[in-house]
Amino acid sequence: NAGVTQTPKFQVLKTGQSMTLQCAQDMNHNSMYWYRQDPGMGLRLIYYSASEGTTDKGEVPNGYNVSRLNKREFSLRLESAAPSQTSVYFCASSRDRSSYEQYFGPGTRLTVT
Amino acid sequence: AQTVTQSQPEMSVQEAETVTLSCTYDTSESDYYLFWYKQPPSRQMILVIRQEAYKQQNATENRFSVNFQKAAKSFSLKISDSQLGDAAMYFCAYRSYNNNDMRFGAGTRLTVKP
Repeated sequence: NAGVTQTPKFQVLKTGQSMTLQCAQDMNHNSMYWYRQDPGMGLRLIYYSASEGTTDKGEVPNGYNVSRLNKREFSLRLESAAPSQTSVYFCASSRDRSSYEQYFGPGTRLTVT
Repeated sequence: AQTVTQSQPEMSVQEAETVTLSCTYDTSESDYYLFWYKQPPSRQMILVIRQEAYKQQNATENRFSVNFQKAAKSFSLKISDSQLGDAAMYFCAYRSYNNNDMRFGAGTRLTVKP
């Protein structure tokens, strides 16, 4: 039982490049989330998916797109990376949208130069 | 929008002693959850303790307990008998009862001295 897995663990991009961060969970959870963590700030919600087939914007969605590929997988795409998107990205999942507990992946450290 | 404030960027405690981390939040809602998460150097976010706003009794999990003051919008974490493994970043978080949007504070870095 791996919980929430994220790939890659580290990535360096040049400004303007695109990439997709992958997230998968094996806990049969309905809801999934993408956060970013910047120094001196807590995690901020980028997008979430309350259930398969639905996605909604969080606090900081600009510059990102998401895809809920199936119940297990929720990807985050940067179409044209900018230095302001340098951050650590966390994926999380919960049993459903009303569950209080979210389970987090190990994070992806992304640097945009 | 709800905001969460942790006013202590860094704290330190002697091993086996007790330390309290502070958190305040701003909301107009009556139903919500509050959480403390621990983030060790591995970056993994680990749920330490949670509190439902409708419960008057303070939550306790082994050496971790909270002091929840709903009227004052305060939610502090007390760690008793501190251990070296408690050293980490601690984040306070707020979540509306019917909303997926979790709001985090900026974190408190806890150092445990042997």
